[in-house]
Amino acid sequence: NAGVTQTPKFQVLKTGQSMTLQCAQDMNHEYMSWYRQDPGMGLRLIHYSVGAGITDQGEVPNGYNVSRSTTEDFPLRLLSAAPSQTSVYFCASSYGQGSGNTIYFGEGSWLTVV
Amino acid sequence: AQSVTQPDIHITVSEGASLELRCNYSYGATPYLFWYVQSPGQGLQLLLKYFSGDTLVQGIKGFEAEFKRSQSSFNLRKPSVHWSDAAEYFCAVGANTPLVFGKGTRLSVIA
Repeated sequence: NAGVTQTPKFQVLKTGQSMTLQCAQDMNHEYMSWYRQDPGMGLRLIHYSVGAGITDQGEVPNGYNVSRSTTEDFPLRLLSAAPSQTSVYFCASSYGQGSGNTIYFGEGSWLTVV
Repeated sequence: AQSVTQPDIHITVSEGASLELRCNYSYGATPYLFWYVQSPGQGLQLLLKYFSGDTLVQGIKGFEAEFKRSQSSFNLRKPSVHWSDAAEYFCAVGANTPLVFGKGTRLSVIA
């Protein structure tokens, strides 16, 4: 049971480049989300999805796009990377939208934009 | 809107001493409350969670937390800290919404 898998674990981008952070879960979870973690800021919600075909914005969505074409996958796209997007990104999933359901986190993706 | 405040950015304790990390929340309904721990360069590990019932919850690694509705608090405690407890700790709140995290408290442990 792989749980929540994020790739890549480390990435360096140049300003203006695009990339996709991949997130996959094998637990048939409906609810998936992306957070970014910055020093002194905790984890802030970027986007989330309550099921295939449904996405919504979180606290800090600007500069990021998401889609949810399957239950298993929830990729996060940076269309034109900026240094302000240097951060650690965490994907999470759970059975339902309610946080009462156990939330599983991926191991994180460290992104540096130069 | 829901929010979480962790008043202490950094705490240093001696090994073997007791620990209390503070967490205050703002939430419009009965909250679900969580504590996570993150070691340097690692992901998040769930220490414990409160959904309902007994207000004192036990977690892994000898941690416990007490939910106090009147104070809107969910403080994390450990009676005797070990050097391996040095990490960053995050309190989070949520129910039928995505989790909202505090900004974290970094714990240093000295000999």
